[in-house]
Amino acid sequence: QLQLQESGPGLVKPSETLSLTCTVSGGPISSHTYYWGWIRQPPGKGLEWIASINYSGTTYYNPSLKSRVTISVDRSKNHFSLNVTSVTAADTAVYYCARHMAAAMSGWGQGTMVSVSS
Amino acid sequence: EIVLTQSPDTLSLSPGERATLSCRASQSVSSNYLAWYQQKPGQAPRLLLYGTSNRATGIPDRFSGSGSGTDFTLTISRLEPEDFAVYYCQQYGRSLWTFGQGTKVEIK
Repeated sequence: QLQLQESGPGLVKPSETLSLTCTVSGGPISSHTYYWGWIRQPPGKGLEWIASINYSGTTYYNPSLKSRVTISVDRSKNHFSLNVTSVTAADTAVYYCARHMAAAMSGWGQGTMVSVSS
Repeated sequence: EIVLTQSPDTLSLSPGERATLSCRASQSVSSNYLAWYQQKPGQAPRLLLYGTSNRATGIPDRFSGSGSGTDFTLTISRLEPEDFAVYYCQQYGRSLWTFGQGTKVEIK
């Protein structure tokens, strides 16, 4: 059974870099079928897709975040990661990782809350 | 970038009633790439429908979807107590995924 688990710091200072990892269990991250993505949700607000990566390492970014975001995969560790640079309070959110296809996102992590504050 | 606008923002209904949620796109969306999610407080979103009208695994048949082009609809035929939640539509196109802002279905 597929499981995704986000990990990372709960608190990041403004202007620093936020780094998150999603560890995948129950299936290989190298599957040709799926994308691996990050979605966030600010407190009390809606969902925002951040970035995704496919089996070949092709990356896809939300244009509004592209200049500050990097997504990567480590197949040896069966995990993928997200870096967000120059964070501000607007980056405070619950960050979800997900396994998905083009059509829909069927597997989600439980989410991890990240606050940006000095 | 395709913008999805959901309406209404909040829907106040009683258990047993029918819920009709709308998702309108700023440009035409392939019906293969329109999905709906349910989210309850403190939980991750759960996939309900994909490809406009296909139910995900384990989703009861009271949930149905329809639409094409720029107008899509999620219908819950008879609301159960566990259906009161926030619902999001999502589309994929031109290597981007976008979500609507959500519709909250609350108990009247």
